[in-house]
Amino acid sequence: QVQLVESGGDMVQPGRSLRLSCAASGFTFSSYGMHWVRQAPGKGLEWVALIWYDGSKKYYADSVKGRFSISRDDSKNTLYLQMNSLRAEDTAVYYCARASFLSMDVWGQGTTVTVSS
Amino acid sequence: DVVMTQSPLSLPVTLGQPASISCRSSQSLVYSDGNTYLSWFQQRPGQSPRRLIYKVSNRDSGVPDRFSGSGSGTDFTLKISRVEADDVGVYYCMQGTHWPPWTFGQGTKVEIK
Repeated sequence: QVQLVESGGDMVQPGRSLRLSCAASGFTFSSYGMHWVRQAPGKGLEWVALIWYDGSKKYYADSVKGRFSISRDDSKNTLYLQMNSLRAEDTAVYYCARASFLSMDVWGQGTTVTVSS
Repeated sequence: DVVMTQSPLSLPVTLGQPASISCRSSQSLVYSDGNTYLSWFQQRPGQSPRRLIYKVSNRDSGVPDRFSGSGSGTDFTLKISRVEADDVGVYYCMQGTHWPPWTFGQGTKVEIK
């Protein structure tokens, strides 16, 4: 079945870096754009980044632009989010999601990032 | 950025009764291709979001037909014809027309009275 599994979440100090991964299975990963969406504790959903199906274009929310980088390795069916210069306000559950009809049709279970000293 | 505004933010409902959530966008969501990219998501307690509706009124596979979406331009509605206990959670609308960014409403918490 179609599945996305995130990993890499951790507790880190402000200013440090972290890389999240999202392993895809059950569909042709290389045919789909992929999103990262986050949810701060007790808050709503916030779109973070998108990468096109072929990796040729990438888009970021203003809140993470210049600090986060989205990438993919189609040989491993894996999506990544490199997060640098982390701030307390980056604390959230991070979801990867498959792009569909300018929306997201499949979501992972999420991985938790906590930025705290 | 397009602002999505949902109402109400909290919706107590009686089992078996209908429920309705409104979502308004700060700009028309009609895309250059003629489609309107408005989606609805359900997030049950402790779970990931799940898409229910895309392009205003198209139900995703496996979504019960008691869920329906409607609207146009800047005004949209998610309706649950008869609320079941399984429907408890937070519901979000999201626009994908004026991207980036994709923007979500604040969420509407549906609970049983």
